[in-house]
Amino acid sequence: DTAVSQTPKYLVTQMGNDKSIKCEQNLGHDTMYWYKQDSKKFLKIMFSYNNKELIINETVPNRFSPKSPDKAHLNLHINSLELGDSAVYFCASSQERASGWKETQYFGPGTRLLVL
Amino acid sequence: AQKVTQAQTEISVVEKEDVTLDCVYETRDTTYYLFWYKQPPSGELVFLIRRNSFDEQNEISGRYSWNFQKSTSSFNFTITASQVVDSAVYFCALRSGGYNKLIFGAGTRLAVHP
Repeated sequence: DTAVSQTPKYLVTQMGNDKSIKCEQNLGHDTMYWYKQDSKKFLKIMFSYNNKELIINETVPNRFSPKSPDKAHLNLHINSLELGDSAVYFCASSQERASGWKETQYFGPGTRLLVL
Repeated sequence: AQKVTQAQTEISVVEKEDVTLDCVYETRDTTYYLFWYKQPPSGELVFLIRRNSFDEQNEISGRYSWNFQKSTSSFNFTITASQVVDSAVYFCALRSGGYNKLIFGAGTRLAVHP
């Protein structure tokens, strides 16, 4: 009964490769996010999708392309991987209310990406 | 500008000590939300608490308590009678205005020694 799940948990790959990370939530939320945590533990938003529509794109290189096939899924595809892409990538989800009330974001377990 | 500052990079305590983790935030919005998340050594991010800007009541949950003070733009977190299992990195985060994202502080690494 995992709320937000990500696959794979670990990803080790060579520079220049293309890879994808998948995220699924079973909370019935309408908004999903990707955050990046660097080696110093700093967390920063990358993308946010609401009802499959991209609403935040935080100056992330074009090599990163999120895709949301439906409200419960948000995948992250990375082209031409670079050493600096090594990080932990967290998926999160929340329910955004029409009233404007902001709800809590719940995070997945993270995907540890190492680019060699 | 929106910003969260966690000035304490690392804190080391002995079990059963009380410890307070500081969080100072900046925002020009009148409506905002503050959060604390815990990241244990296993790496996941665990939600602890959320506070709205119009609710300054302090909260206690077991050994955890939170002190929200708008006058000083602070949202501090206290662990009473710390335990080894409390060892983790703790993040304070801000969500303000219509922005659909969390602004995280740099985190405070808490080490509780037996």
